[in-house]
Amino acid sequence: KQEVTQIPAALSVPEGENLVLNCSFTDSAIYNLQWFRQDPGKGLTSLLLIQSSQREQTSGRLNASLDKSSGRSTLYIAASQPGDSATYLCAVLLYNFNKFYFGSGTKLNVKP
Amino acid sequence: DAGITQSPRHKVTETGTPVTLRCHQTENHRYMYWYRQDPGHGLRLIHYSYGVKDTDKGEVSDGYSVSRSKTEDFLLTLESATSSQTSVYFCAIKDGAGTEAFFGQGTRLTVV
Repeated sequence: KQEVTQIPAALSVPEGENLVLNCSFTDSAIYNLQWFRQDPGKGLTSLLLIQSSQREQTSGRLNASLDKSSGRSTLYIAASQPGDSATYLCAVLLYNFNKFYFGSGTKLNVKP
Repeated sequence: DAGITQSPRHKVTETGTPVTLRCHQTENHRYMYWYRQDPGHGLRLIHYSYGVKDTDKGEVSDGYSVSRSKTEDFLLTLESATSSQTSVYFCAIKDGAGTEAFFGQGTRLTVV
């Protein structure tokens, strides 16, 4: 069974800092990996999708990288803002199944 | 935003009663999922569907059943609700393996 781990579980930074969130997975036979954000009491919002053949994907201040062989993905947030405060989740999709497995998330707090 | 509507958004029910949650999509996506989200457990897959009348179990399917008679609707039924099924339930849709997953806003279910 695929295990997905996100470290750290929580992170508090001052506004303006660049930061990195980590996602690791045990089975490298993934089809793709998706990053989401979740605001309190809300659903999940898709941020970035990286296919297994890609190394990076960028959207605005967000950059996600994928290293399948080592079972890791990172989400880089540049020049963080208080509006970035949320829980960030990664999910991996395996080959052979159209089910995706979630990490437990990193709760980010960006202080003004 | 992807066209996903979950209903109801909130529900309080008594132990032992049947409950049905509805997920409706306007995107004509092939795959639909039901997840539950609980503190300390993250998001866990209950059931998913890969087409009309085609469904399969996830990791926490006991006590739940699903039906998909039309592409746009995926129903989750708790045959006899228990307090352990108190949770936030999310529906997700996905068009194909290489595409993004999109989530609904969630249904908060309380079983008393």
